[in-house]
Amino acid sequence: AQTVTQSQPEMSVQEAETVTLSCTYDTSESDYYLFWYKQPPSRQMILVIRQEAYKQQNATENRFSVNFQKAAKSFSLKISDSQLGDAAMYFCAYRTSNAGNNRKLIWGLGTSLAVNP
Amino acid sequence: GAVVSQHPSRVICKSGTSVKIECRSLDFQATTMFWYRQFPKQSLMLMATSNEGSKATYEQGVEKDKFLINHASLTLSTLTVTSAHPEDSSFYICSAHLAGAADTQYFGPGTRLTVL
Repeated sequence: AQTVTQSQPEMSVQEAETVTLSCTYDTSESDYYLFWYKQPPSRQMILVIRQEAYKQQNATENRFSVNFQKAAKSFSLKISDSQLGDAAMYFCAYRTSNAGNNRKLIWGLGTSLAVNP
Repeated sequence: GAVVSQHPSRVICKSGTSVKIECRSLDFQATTMFWYRQFPKQSLMLMATSNEGSKATYEQGVEKDKFLINHASLTLSTLTVTSAHPEDSSFYICSAHLAGAADTQYFGPGTRLTVL
């Protein structure tokens, strides 16, 4: 069975600086999707970034980028120029691409990010 | 785009009553929706997968008769907590799967249920 591990329960970063959140996963599949979701204090889950395993190029979304290392099964999230609004729980998630109707996400436990002014 | 609404946002009910939570995909159709439960400062726990026009698929340990799921249309899924008890108090979140190029789950804002 697939698992997702986020080894950093809490992180902090100074405003305007860069922070990297780690995520590792375990799977025997070769094709899958990886996601980072953000959950601010409002508790609304927001998609941050999505990566398809067959794509070698790392996904980027404005200040957010990932370092996807398929062989190492690592999927870290880098937040550049951190802003106060980036303070949130960040969840890493995995999903098989051999879906059929199985589109379940496998979730990590989350990393709580604090942004210091 | 890809907006999911959830209603109500908060509900307080007495023990023994039933509560219905609605999840709607506002600008896309979703054949698959998901219901999660989240305890404070914890990750999401998948309760069930809701498939339009068919029975929901429940995760192990989730009582089907207690958490009734109906997915009658491509934009609406409902979760009914029957005979609610204080231990059912929690934050319930739904998501809807946007198929096609996006192939991604989008989440509702959640419902806080408090059972007195």
